[in-house]
Amino acid sequence: IQLTQSPSSLSASVGDRVTITCRASQGINSYLAWYQQIPGKAPKLLIYGATTLQSGVPSRFSGSGSGTDFSLTISSLQPEDFATYYCQQFNSYPLTFGGGTKVEIK
Amino acid sequence: QLQLQESGPGLVKPSETLSVTCTVFGGSIRDTSYYWAWIRQPPGKGLEWIGSIYYSGSTYFHPSVKSRVTISVDASKNQLSLRLTSVTAADTAVYFCARKEIVVLPSAVDGFDPWGQGTLVTVSS
Repeated sequence: IQLTQSPSSLSASVGDRVTITCRASQGINSYLAWYQQIPGKAPKLLIYGATTLQSGVPSRFSGSGSGTDFSLTISSLQPEDFATYYCQQFNSYPLTFGGGTKVEIK
Repeated sequence: QLQLQESGPGLVKPSETLSVTCTVFGGSIRDTSYYWAWIRQPPGKGLEWIGSIYYSGSTYFHPSVKSRVTISVDASKNQLSLRLTSVTAADTAVYFCARKEIVVLPSAVDGFDPWGQGTLVTVSS
């Protein structure tokens, strides 16, 4: 199952609302997770089951979607949110990741 | 709090075997509520799932490495291991281990969490 993220990169300002999309090549129900990766660090789980916020993750992050179309929204971008974001599907093997979306400071 | 720590050789020659281990701290690799995975990231590129292993011994691998990869668990050392044979420069990457809850109840966390910090393995002569 291929996961296509868009955009591949974006520039935004602190306080902006940012939305990243992830499209699956076939239906994956809600078996989708989102991760945040800061350079030099391991990915961090933000959202699983397409919409469930992982414990400890700020509520400005939210996920939506099911089937083939998903999105991650950051309601008010904070300085610590500048990172690369990846979606991943758990619907079937082989497990796959999207290509990533780099969120940069405008 | 569960922590994972990878260790590896740093440098491997082409055609040789890459071996990386992941030590589990603060929890048991025997816990059958979870399975374990290896994920890699070539420098400057995205994430690629390599394979997963359940404590029962069941394994699943990415087709691109299936013929070259072995994943195993050493419960006595609380370690997860990855072996990749016949490596090429394309196998140069940061190798991460991660844990995944086996989804039985609605409350299960259906994502890789936590991850180790990763270990860079470079394939070069």
